Amino acid sequence: GAVVSQHPSRVICKSGTSVKIECRSLDFQATTMFWYRQFPKQSLMLMATSNEGSKATYEQGVEKDKFLINHASLTLSTLTVTSAHPEDSSFYICSARDVLAGSSAEQFFGPGTRLTVL
Amino acid sequence: TQLLEQSPQFLSIQEGENLTVYCNSSSVFSSLQWYRQEPGEGPVLLVTVVTGGEVKKLKRLTFQFGDARKDSSLHITAAQPGDTGLYLCAGTITGGGNKLTFGTGTQLKVEL
Repeated sequence: GAVVSQHPSRVICKSGTSVKIECRSLDFQATTMFWYRQFPKQSLMLMATSNEGSKATYEQGVEKDKFLINHASLTLSTLTVTSAHPEDSSFYICSARDVLAGSSAEQFFGPGTRLTVL
Repeated sequence: TQLLEQSPQFLSIQEGENLTVYCNSSSVFSSLQWYRQEPGEGPVLLVTVVTGGEVKKLKRLTFQFGDARKDSSLHITAAQPGDTGLYLCAGTITGGGNKLTFGTGTQLKVEL
Protein backbone atom coordinates (compact mmCIF):
# COMPACT_ATOMS: atom_id res chain seq x y z
CA GLY A 1 0.00 0.00 0.00
CA ALA A 2 0.92 3.65 -0.32
CA VAL A 3 3.16 5.12 2.36
CA VAL A 4 2.93 8.50 4.01
CA SER A 5 5.66 9.68 6.36
CA GLN A 6 5.77 12.49 8.89
CA HIS A 7 8.73 14.25 10.41
CA PRO A 8 9.43 14.66 13.20
CA SER A 9 7.60 11.89 15.03
CA ARG A 10 7.67 13.89 18.22
CA VAL A 11 8.79 17.38 19.16
CA ILE A 12 9.01 19.33 22.37
CA CYS A 13 9.29 23.08 22.18
CA LYS A 14 9.08 26.15 24.36
CA SER A 15 6.02 28.36 24.40
CA GLY A 16 6.24 31.10 21.78
CA THR A 17 8.39 29.21 19.30
CA SER A 18 7.31 27.89 15.90
CA VAL A 19 7.35 24.25 14.88
CA LYS A 20 7.29 22.80 11.37
CA ILE A 21 5.88 19.34 10.66
CA GLU A 22 6.46 17.64 7.32
CA CYS A 23 4.15 15.20 5.55
CA ARG A 24 5.49 13.25 2.59
CA SER A 25 3.91 10.77 0.22
CA LEU A 26 6.72 8.33 -0.47
CA ASP A 27 5.56 6.32 -3.47
CA PHE A 28 2.77 8.35 -5.01
CA GLN A 29 1.88 11.90 -5.88
CA ALA A 30 -0.73 13.78 -3.90
CA THR A 31 -2.43 16.96 -5.10
CA THR A 32 -4.41 16.97 -1.87
CA MET A 33 -3.20 16.34 1.64
CA PHE A 34 -5.19 16.72 4.84
CA TRP A 35 -4.07 17.81 8.30
CA TYR A 36 -5.83 16.51 11.41
CA ARG A 37 -5.41 17.13 15.10
CA GLN A 38 -6.18 14.58 17.76
CA PHE A 39 -6.34 15.26 21.50
CA PRO A 40 -5.92 12.41 24.00
CA LYS A 41 -8.80 9.96 24.11
CA GLN A 42 -10.53 11.82 21.27
CA SER A 43 -11.13 11.35 17.57
CA LEU A 44 -9.43 13.06 14.65
CA MET A 45 -10.57 16.55 13.78
CA LEU A 46 -9.84 17.92 10.31
CA MET A 47 -7.91 21.17 10.47
CA ALA A 48 -7.32 21.96 6.83
CA THR A 49 -7.06 20.64 3.31
CA SER A 50 -3.72 21.27 1.67
CA ASN A 51 -3.81 21.80 -2.09
CA GLU A 52 -0.67 21.60 -4.19
CA GLY A 53 0.08 24.94 -5.80
CA SER A 54 -2.76 26.83 -4.13
CA LYS A 55 -3.92 28.05 -0.76
CA ALA A 56 -5.03 25.63 1.88
CA THR A 57 -8.67 25.41 2.89
CA TYR A 58 -9.16 25.70 6.62
CA GLU A 59 -12.00 24.26 8.67
CA GLN A 60 -14.18 26.56 10.73
CA GLY A 61 -12.49 27.63 13.92
CA VAL A 62 -8.94 26.89 12.74
CA GLU A 63 -6.72 29.98 12.61
CA LYS A 64 -4.95 30.09 9.27
CA ASP A 65 -2.34 32.55 10.55
CA LYS A 66 -1.44 30.24 13.40
CA PHE A 67 -1.35 27.00 11.44
CA LEU A 68 0.52 27.78 8.25
CA ILE A 69 0.26 25.18 5.52
CA ASN A 70 2.48 24.95 2.46
CA HIS A 71 2.06 22.33 -0.26
CA ALA A 72 4.92 23.17 -2.58
CA SER A 73 5.22 19.85 -4.37
CA LEU A 74 3.14 16.78 -5.16
CA THR A 75 4.85 14.82 -2.42
CA LEU A 76 5.30 17.31 0.42
CA SER A 77 3.04 19.38 2.62
CA THR A 78 4.20 21.22 5.71
CA LEU A 79 2.29 22.46 8.72
CA THR A 80 3.90 25.20 10.79
CA VAL A 81 2.48 25.90 14.22
CA THR A 82 3.44 29.51 14.86
CA SER A 83 3.94 30.96 18.34
CA ALA A 84 3.02 27.65 19.89
CA HIS A 85 1.36 27.54 23.29
CA PRO A 86 0.67 24.65 25.66
CA GLU A 87 -2.91 24.35 24.37
CA ASP A 88 -1.47 23.53 20.93
CA SER A 89 0.03 20.35 22.37
CA SER A 90 -1.60 17.53 20.45
CA PHE A 91 -1.11 14.66 18.03
CA TYR A 92 -1.00 15.99 14.47
CA ILE A 93 -1.74 13.54 11.66
CA CYS A 94 -1.62 14.08 7.92
CA SER A 95 -3.13 12.05 5.11
CA ALA A 96 -2.72 12.08 1.36
CA ARG A 97 -4.71 10.99 -1.66
CA ASP A 98 -3.15 9.53 -4.78
CA VAL A 99 -3.70 11.99 -7.64
CA LEU A 100 -4.03 9.13 -10.12
CA ALA A 101 -6.59 7.14 -8.17
CA GLY A 102 -9.68 9.22 -8.92
CA SER A 103 -12.12 11.21 -6.87
CA SER A 104 -13.04 8.34 -4.56
CA ALA A 105 -9.45 7.50 -3.71
CA GLU A 106 -8.52 6.29 -0.28
CA GLN A 107 -6.67 8.61 2.07
CA PHE A 108 -3.41 7.19 3.36
CA PHE A 109 -2.47 8.33 6.82
CA GLY A 110 0.89 9.25 8.23
CA PRO A 111 2.13 7.95 11.60
CA GLY A 112 1.47 11.25 13.34
CA THR A 113 3.60 13.85 15.13
CA ARG A 114 3.33 14.34 18.88
CA LEU A 115 3.79 18.03 19.72
CA THR A 116 4.39 19.06 23.31
CA VAL A 117 4.63 22.76 24.09
CA LEU A 118 6.14 23.59 27.46
CA THR B 1 -21.88 19.34 16.26
CA GLN B 2 -20.42 15.89 15.71
CA LEU B 3 -21.80 14.47 12.49
CA LEU B 4 -20.87 10.88 13.25
CA GLU B 5 -21.71 9.50 16.68
CA GLN B 6 -20.19 6.22 17.76
CA SER B 7 -21.41 3.99 20.55
CA PRO B 8 -20.29 2.77 22.88
CA GLN B 9 -17.53 5.25 23.65
CA PHE B 10 -15.60 2.71 25.72
CA LEU B 11 -15.81 -1.06 25.80
CA SER B 12 -13.88 -3.48 27.98
CA ILE B 13 -14.53 -7.17 27.39
CA GLN B 14 -13.00 -10.57 27.95
CA GLU B 15 -11.25 -12.55 25.26
CA GLY B 16 -13.72 -14.64 23.27
CA GLU B 17 -16.68 -12.30 23.64
CA ASN B 18 -18.52 -10.74 20.73
CA LEU B 19 -19.15 -7.02 20.37
CA THR B 20 -20.78 -4.49 18.09
CA VAL B 21 -19.82 -0.87 17.57
CA TYR B 22 -22.29 1.53 16.03
CA CYS B 23 -21.74 4.62 13.93
CA ASN B 24 -24.75 6.87 13.39
CA SER B 25 -25.47 10.10 11.58
CA SER B 26 -28.33 12.17 10.27
CA SER B 27 -26.33 12.83 7.11
CA VAL B 28 -26.07 10.62 4.05
CA PHE B 29 -22.58 9.39 3.23
CA SER B 30 -21.32 8.48 -0.22
CA SER B 31 -18.87 6.13 1.43
CA LEU B 32 -17.97 5.11 4.93
CA GLN B 33 -14.76 3.70 6.29
CA TRP B 34 -13.67 1.98 9.46
CA TYR B 35 -10.22 2.49 10.91
CA ARG B 36 -8.30 1.06 13.85
CA GLN B 37 -5.74 3.19 15.61
CA GLU B 38 -3.05 2.17 18.07
CA PRO B 39 -1.67 4.69 20.60
CA GLY B 40 0.90 7.01 19.04
CA GLU B 41 0.18 5.87 15.49
CA GLY B 42 -1.95 6.96 12.57
CA PRO B 43 -5.26 5.23 11.81
CA VAL B 44 -5.17 2.13 9.63
CA LEU B 45 -7.97 1.47 7.18
CA LEU B 46 -9.96 -1.70 7.81
CA VAL B 47 -12.72 -1.43 5.22
CA THR B 48 -14.64 0.90 2.93
CA VAL B 49 -18.36 0.48 2.26
CA VAL B 50 -20.14 2.42 -0.46
CA THR B 51 -23.48 0.72 -1.17
CA GLY B 52 -26.50 0.96 1.12
CA GLY B 53 -27.08 -2.39 2.81
CA GLU B 54 -23.59 -3.59 1.97
CA VAL B 55 -21.99 -6.17 4.26
CA LYS B 56 -18.26 -6.86 4.23
CA LYS B 57 -16.34 -9.43 6.22
CA LEU B 58 -12.71 -9.28 7.20
CA LYS B 59 -11.84 -12.46 9.13
CA ARG B 60 -13.65 -12.02 12.48
CA LEU B 61 -14.85 -8.52 11.64
CA THR B 62 -18.18 -7.86 9.91
CA PHE B 63 -19.05 -4.41 8.64
CA GLN B 64 -22.47 -3.24 7.57
CA PHE B 65 -23.57 -0.04 5.86
CA GLY B 66 -27.13 1.03 6.54
CA ASP B 67 -29.69 0.94 3.75
CA ALA B 68 -30.01 4.73 3.83
CA ARG B 69 -26.22 5.18 4.05
CA LYS B 70 -26.56 7.12 7.31
CA ASP B 71 -25.22 4.50 9.70
CA SER B 72 -22.85 1.59 9.96
CA SER B 73 -21.87 -1.12 12.37
CA LEU B 74 -18.77 -3.15 13.13
CA HIS B 75 -19.20 -6.56 14.70
CA ILE B 76 -16.25 -8.48 16.10
CA THR B 77 -16.63 -12.18 16.81
CA ALA B 78 -14.53 -13.90 19.45
CA ALA B 79 -12.51 -10.83 20.32
CA GLN B 80 -8.80 -11.22 21.01
CA PRO B 81 -6.37 -9.00 22.94
CA GLY B 82 -4.87 -7.99 19.60
CA ASP B 83 -8.17 -6.32 18.72
CA THR B 84 -7.57 -3.72 21.42
CA GLY B 85 -7.47 -0.22 20.00
CA LEU B 86 -9.43 2.86 19.02
CA TYR B 87 -12.00 2.13 16.34
CA LEU B 88 -13.04 5.04 14.19
CA CYS B 89 -15.70 5.31 11.54
CA ALA B 90 -15.27 8.05 8.97
CA GLY B 91 -17.27 9.08 5.97
CA THR B 92 -17.45 11.38 3.04
CA ILE B 93 -20.73 13.25 2.99
CA THR B 94 -22.63 13.19 -0.28
CA GLY B 95 -21.83 16.46 -2.01
CA GLY B 96 -19.19 17.31 0.57
CA GLY B 97 -16.12 16.79 -1.57
CA ASN B 98 -13.29 14.54 -0.50
CA LYS B 99 -13.18 15.51 3.15
CA LEU B 100 -13.40 12.72 5.69
CA THR B 101 -15.54 13.29 8.75
CA PHE B 102 -14.47 11.09 11.64
CA GLY B 103 -16.74 9.57 14.22
CA THR B 104 -16.35 10.13 17.95
CA GLY B 105 -14.42 6.87 18.36
CA THR B 106 -14.80 3.67 20.36
CA GLN B 107 -11.98 2.60 22.64
CA LEU B 108 -11.93 -1.19 22.85
CA LYS B 109 -9.96 -3.18 25.40
CA VAL B 110 -9.92 -6.94 25.22
CA GLU B 111 -8.52 -8.66 28.28
CA LEU B 112 -7.31 -12.21 28.75
